[in-house]
Amino acid sequence: RKEVEQDPGPFNVPEGATVAFNCTYSNSASQSFFWYRQDCRKEPKLLMSVYSSGNEDGRFTAQLNRASQYISLLIRDSKLSDSATYLCVVIGFGNEKLTFGTGTRLTIIP
Amino acid sequence: NAGVTQTPKFRILKIGQSMTLQCTQDMNHNYMYWYRQDPGMGLKLIYYSVGAGITDKGEVPNGYNVSRSTTEDFPLRLELAAPSQTSVYFCASSESPILEQYFGPGTRLTVT
Repeated sequence: RKEVEQDPGPFNVPEGATVAFNCTYSNSASQSFFWYRQDCRKEPKLLMSVYSSGNEDGRFTAQLNRASQYISLLIRDSKLSDSATYLCVVIGFGNEKLTFGTGTRLTIIP
Repeated sequence: NAGVTQTPKFRILKIGQSMTLQCTQDMNHNYMYWYRQDPGMGLKLIYYSVGAGITDKGEVPNGYNVSRSTTEDFPLRLELAAPSQTSVYFCASSESPILEQYFGPGTRLTVT
């Protein structure tokens, strides 16, 4: 089983819709979780950290489910500018290295 | 602040050639990382450094070498380039492993 797994998509979603995708991780001792966004042929950039209690940043909500070992990202009222690849990132306990998922590709359709 | 800068942006190498990918950050971060990203894939860690003079292997270190003589610079050396090293290389830095990583714009390398 891969350390971090994501559905590669693509998710093609109409503008204004709500979309959600998950990321599963295999190491139950993982301690830190993030969502990064990567635009086509660009570098990844931090979208948001994922906290145990869940967190929200505008139209974006991230949640952590430790029991089932997955994190999720929900995007409400999607915009054309949300089209990107969303990378799930996991850090193991006492670890200095990040493990990236392969990414979920999202396209928002006008 | 320029953040993380990488040079060159593009490079084509012949099999067996060598080159150094440059990475510099101006945020005084101790942690620096080199990743490669193959088409449709996530980032794989090649090497990382927790401070000047300290480096360690990541997931895919074979065929690469690094050094960290200063806090700012973290060059990646490719010896005897192979087609399997065709990829996009990203350098990143962070204040701490559990904080945001700042990425450079990447170097697109083709080995033919």
